[in-house]
Amino acid sequence: AQKVTQAQTEISVVEKEDVTLDCVYETRDTTYYLFWYKQPPSGELVFLIRRNSFDEQNEISGRYSWNFQKSTSSFNFTITASQVVDSAVYFCALSEGLNTGNQFYFGTGTSLTVIP
Amino acid sequence: GAVVSQHPSWVICKSGTSVKIECRSLDFQATTMFWYRQFPKQSLMLMATSNEGSKATYEQGVEKDKFLINHASLTLSTLTVTSAHPEDSSFYICSARGTSGRSNEQFFGPGTRLTVL
Repeated sequence: AQKVTQAQTEISVVEKEDVTLDCVYETRDTTYYLFWYKQPPSGELVFLIRRNSFDEQNEISGRYSWNFQKSTSSFNFTITASQVVDSAVYFCALSEGLNTGNQFYFGTGTSLTVIP
Repeated sequence: GAVVSQHPSWVICKSGTSVKIECRSLDFQATTMFWYRQFPKQSLMLMATSNEGSKATYEQGVEKDKFLINHASLTLSTLTVTSAHPEDSSFYICSARGTSGRSNEQFFGPGTRLTVL
């Protein structure tokens, strides 16, 4: 079974629009970590955020914000006032256990295109 | 922050040849390294986990005799694609997990794009 589901395969928005990328995860562990990565065309993964299962506080970093809800096993990512440079593939990932050094389970990714 | 490098960043080879990809942790010691494969427009799939000084653990469906992994030191793991074929063309990404002090973190390399003609 897929541990991380990103239902949105592709999203297109016009510049300056807000966009939310969905991520639903599945785990039986009580301790786990969730991540978001950005993968531009170069292929290199760019780390965006790490969240542990005990911290449900939402986080904002500039135009980026994350909504972690354990009740629905979701960890959604919102980009406010999108820009062309935000165009990339975004991956949500899960790492189970006490530390982030364990295997990552990646979602299938959401390809975001921001149209100028 | 911690840096993981991969070499080469891209490689083109003929079918039947072997290709070696290096993954290095530049400023920390990595007890565990992971190798992922990503086909175009797909997700990253774990191929194997390597621990320094021991044999790698391969995921189901990954041929250990075809994808040879060596983790001989705390800063270097290598993936050798033996007798490469066009279907092995992919983006290979490694990640490294640190030792004490960095054991709770994992860092990804920039990836190696392999094209087999």
